[in-house]
Amino acid sequence: QVHLQQSGSGLVRPSQTLSLTCAVSGGSLSSGGYSWTWVRQPLGKGLEWIGNIYHSGATRYNPSLQSRVTISGDRSKNQISLKVNFVTAADTAIYFCARLNGYYPDYYFMDVWGEGTTVIVSS
Amino acid sequence: DIQMTQSPSSLSASLGDSVTITCRASQRIDSYVNWYQQKPGRAPKLLISAASTLQSGVPSRFSGSGSATHFALTISNIQPEDYASYYCQQSTSSPGFSFGRGTKLEI
Repeated sequence: QVHLQQSGSGLVRPSQTLSLTCAVSGGSLSSGGYSWTWVRQPLGKGLEWIGNIYHSGATRYNPSLQSRVTISGDRSKNQISLKVNFVTAADTAIYFCARLNGYYPDYYFMDVWGEGTTVIVSS
Repeated sequence: DIQMTQSPSSLSASLGDSVTITCRASQRIDSYVNWYQQKPGRAPKLLISAASTLQSGVPSRFSGSGSATHFALTISNIQPEDYASYYCQQSTSSPGFSFGRGTKLEI
């Protein structure tokens, strides 16, 4: 059974870069044709999609975050990563990684989730 | 981008009741809508994919319907473990995914 283990800094200073990783266990990043996604949730609020990295390696980001976000995959380490540049207090949230099941272009659903990482942006 | 207007934002129900949560998409999205349940301090859990496909292990009292721009999640015979927040999500690749603002189901 696939398990997603998240890690990364829980405290980031304003204007710095938020970096998180999501390690895949019980399966391979490159097998099964799966894609991967990041979602965040400001404390006490709703879910916001950040972006996807598809099995092909292609990425797509939320237009509201696109200029500051990078999602990448490392098949040798069996993990995906998220970087958000120039963070502000508005980036304070719980960040989740998840597996995207389904197929391109539009039939996707998030069927396996990481436990979430709380990231606070503060000086 | 595609907006998902979810209603109501909160809902009160008693054990054994049935409730319906709706999502309206700002443009036609066929059946590319998923529904998730989230309990406090936990990651979301997938309930239904492609508008009406119940996920393995999810009780049959959960059902989804709709297509194009109008979608609904119905919970019948509400049980204690169903008190949670629920989110719809559309999965079109262009311009990208989006979630509804959520519905909190309370006693």
